[in-house]
Amino acid sequence: EVQLVESGGGLVQPGGSLRLSCSASGFTFSSYPMHWVRQAPGKGLEYVSAISGNGVSTYYADSVKGRFTISRDNSKNTLYLQMSSLRTGDTAVYFCVKTLYDSGAYYYGYWGQGTLVTVSS
Amino acid sequence: DIQMTQSPSSVSASVGDRVTITCRASQGVNTWLAWYQQKPGKAPKLLIYAASSLQSGVPSRFSGSGSGTDFTLSISSLQPEDFATYYCLQANSFPRTFGQGTKVEIK
Repeated sequence: EVQLVESGGGLVQPGGSLRLSCSASGFTFSSYPMHWVRQAPGKGLEYVSAISGNGVSTYYADSVKGRFTISRDNSKNTLYLQMSSLRTGDTAVYFCVKTLYDSGAYYYGYWGQGTLVTVSS
Repeated sequence: DIQMTQSPSSVSASVGDRVTITCRASQGVNTWLAWYQQKPGKAPKLLIYAASSLQSGVPSRFSGSGSGTDFTLSISSLQPEDFATYYCLQANSFPRTFGQGTKVEIK
């Protein structure tokens, strides 16, 4: 059974930093690109960042580029999101997502339960 | 970036009704489109991928169609557990983009 468990969320002041972790189990972690997706309170879903299975390729939404860094440790089956220079607009539930590949595209196949990040003074 | 526009933003329906939600992409995404269901306080759940492929375990009353820029999600006979918010997602390119969501409410 696929399990994705996020941790590391909490309250942080504007300009601060936080590192999110996502512990994965139930599948061959290194074989799958992984994503972070967020959802501000009462709002829709927003792609944040993605990383290839081997960790070589990374991608970011413009809204977080230069402030967030995605990484993974395949020996620990863990995905990370290092967030710095946080803004109030970064307040959201952050979901770790395992991709599903089909016919040339990667979809969001399975989601963790999410971890809440609140940026406030 | 590819913009995804869903309609309607909300729909009121009764148990047993047929519900159709549409999603339009600002440029062609082939059939690289997925649909998700989200209930309050929960993570989204994959329903449909590749525009029309039903994810394992999802009831057959859910179906998807379309290609290029226009897509639909249909629920053939709405059940009590289907009241939720639905999102489309384009998987054609980065950045991935979602529709704004359609809330299916009880009439």
